[in-house]
Amino acid sequence: QQPVQSPQAVILREGEDAVINCSSSKALYSVHWYRQKHGEAPVFLMILLKGGEQKGHEKISASFNEKKQQSSLYLTASQLSYSGTYFCGTEPNRDDKIIFGKGTRLHILP
Amino acid sequence: GAGVSQTPSNKVTEKGKYVELRCDPISGHTALYWYRQSLGQGPEFLIYFQGTGAADDSGLPNDRFFAVRPEGSVSTLKIQRTERGDSAVYLCASSLQGYPSEQYFGPGTRLTVT
Repeated sequence: QQPVQSPQAVILREGEDAVINCSSSKALYSVHWYRQKHGEAPVFLMILLKGGEQKGHEKISASFNEKKQQSSLYLTASQLSYSGTYFCGTEPNRDDKIIFGKGTRLHILP
Repeated sequence: GAGVSQTPSNKVTEKGKYVELRCDPISGHTALYWYRQSLGQGPEFLIYFQGTGAADDSGLPNDRFFAVRPEGSVSTLKIQRTERGDSAVYLCASSLQGYPSEQYFGPGTRLTVT
């Protein structure tokens, strides 16, 4: 079951904050976040695991509500380099394949 | 160090032809994944290798698609009797171990079937 991301797109001015949401209809073991710039490969941002463990880049903040099967990615004081499409991927059980959402397009204006 | 590389970067083929797409993972990464990405969509899982064996091939759309990783390093995705609907960017990723791990993606192969 593909996770649903919201919003589909967002435009911010440099320095503003954004929240990107990811929700699933199934119980989750983990949530993965990636950013993809146009014409480039997706780049890892963070993994959030059931039980509270997180692995990722220090400057990225995210949450995982296991009961609601939802995750949110928090982008604070956005920079021009944050522009791109953000994908969440969900893993229903350990060692399951990741199912990616359709993405959230983020555009930062100077 | 070197990242994941994929060749060719672009491939144009005629409907019905056979194509091979190659992926060179990061050295030492035991896990390798193939995804397919269409315009405006997220990566769609195809197959996952742990070492030489396919641990999960549930994403392969039909028996025209096949992938191998004979020595646990380089992998080849093979598509027989290509169809126009196979046109997409095929992404390869590798990770140091299996799920759940940070996956390092290659630049992709853009396949166009005419």
